[in-house]
Amino acid sequence: GQQLNQSPQSMFIQEGEDVSMNCTSSSIFNTWLWYKQDPGEGPVLLIALYKAGELTSNGRLTAQFGITRKDSFLNISASIPSDVGIYFCAGPPPGANSKLTFGKGITLSVRP
Amino acid sequence: KAGVTQTPRYLIKTRGQQVTLSCSPISGHRSVSWYQQTPGQGLQFLFEYFSETQRNKGNFPGRFSGRQFSNSRSEMNVSTLELGDSALYLCASSSEGASTEAFFGQGTRLTVV
Repeated sequence: GQQLNQSPQSMFIQEGEDVSMNCTSSSIFNTWLWYKQDPGEGPVLLIALYKAGELTSNGRLTAQFGITRKDSFLNISASIPSDVGIYFCAGPPPGANSKLTFGKGITLSVRP
Repeated sequence: KAGVTQTPRYLIKTRGQQVTLSCSPISGHRSVSWYQQTPGQGLQFLFEYFSETQRNKGNFPGRFSGRQFSNSRSEMNVSTLELGDSALYLCASSSEGASTEAFFGQGTRLTVV
């Protein structure tokens, strides 16, 4: 099936630093969603992208829909301790709008 | 506006038993999807219901089933539980389907012993 690739599995940054993570696919996606999950909780939607090339911000978060439609990027600026969590990219695979494929996620650790 | 509510939050069952999990979507949302999350496999799609009809199904055995009621609330059932069914089961709701934003509940942590 369709797969979304996220790497590395873990990232460690210093508080105040910026961090960038990306998500790639071998197939075209028409929607890209970025979620954050805290331990024991469900994923929380951060940003949704619907158009190739689209750049969208949500506070310190900025995400971009790649022009090839096969990738997306999430940037977090001026990280703070509460940014700790698992960040997932997701999207509905072509022809299956009613389900989401998720990447494996990137665990972000922020050192104070 | 209340978010997605899943009950119960935690559940312990014995192998061979069956279990029913419940999900109440955001008011006005007609699409409810279910996902299984495990450390090894990540988040995997189980099925999606829209207006009481199953629109899509993932690659899970027939022991996993679901339904949706006229008020959009949904239940999923797992019969003949196996140890490998231990997971966080997440429900997501959206207004039309996964092509728009999907909002997740806190999940039900199922442990099979």
